[in-house]
Amino acid sequence: AQKVTQAQTEISVVEKEDVTLDCVYETRDTTYYLFWYKQPPSGELVFLIRRNSFDEQNEISGRYSWNFQKSTSSFNFTITASQVVDSAVYFCALSEPGGYQKVTFGIGTKLQVIP
Amino acid sequence: DADVTQTPRNRITKTGKRIMLECSQTKGHDRMYWYRQDPGLGLRLIYYSFDVKDINKGEISDGYSVSRQAQAKFSLSLESAIPNQTALYFCATSMDTYYGYTFGSGTRLTVV
Repeated sequence: AQKVTQAQTEISVVEKEDVTLDCVYETRDTTYYLFWYKQPPSGELVFLIRRNSFDEQNEISGRYSWNFQKSTSSFNFTITASQVVDSAVYFCALSEPGGYQKVTFGIGTKLQVIP
Repeated sequence: DADVTQTPRNRITKTGKRIMLECSQTKGHDRMYWYRQDPGLGLRLIYYSFDVKDINKGEISDGYSVSRQAQAKFSLSLESAIPNQTALYFCATSMDTYYGYTFGSGTRLTVV
């Protein structure tokens, strides 16, 4: 069975600090996809990134970076020089390909960036 | 206009009432989903549809029903609302799970 664990339920940082959101997953599939979504206080869910299981390259997009490590089944998300606008709930998700393509979400990590 | 539109945005209803949440999309995606979000539980799948004639139960379908009226429209109904169905409900679409979901803005439902 698939499982996504986001052990950090809430994190508070002071603006300009770096912060890493952890995501650990479990799956029996050799091919799978990992995602991060952002839910700002306004409530909508915004897609941030997808990573497939064959691509272990780290990804950087501006202040955001993602570290995918199959050896530890982790897909961690780092925000560099955090800003107040980064305050949101962040969800990690795991999808299996084929058939129903079940997507399993973690419970989310609430990030508060304090000015 | 938003790619995925949910109506209403907020709704308060009484126990036992029937309520319908509507979702329409302009993405042209075949796949549509209904999720509910509860604090501490993340998002859980209620129903999903891969096309108009293909509707499937998710992990928490009891107490809910759906209708796929067209490729672009997917409605969720609570036949007899109960307080533990108070939650934030999201509709989502995808071309294929590889591409991730496009979510609607959510419907905040309160059952009193």
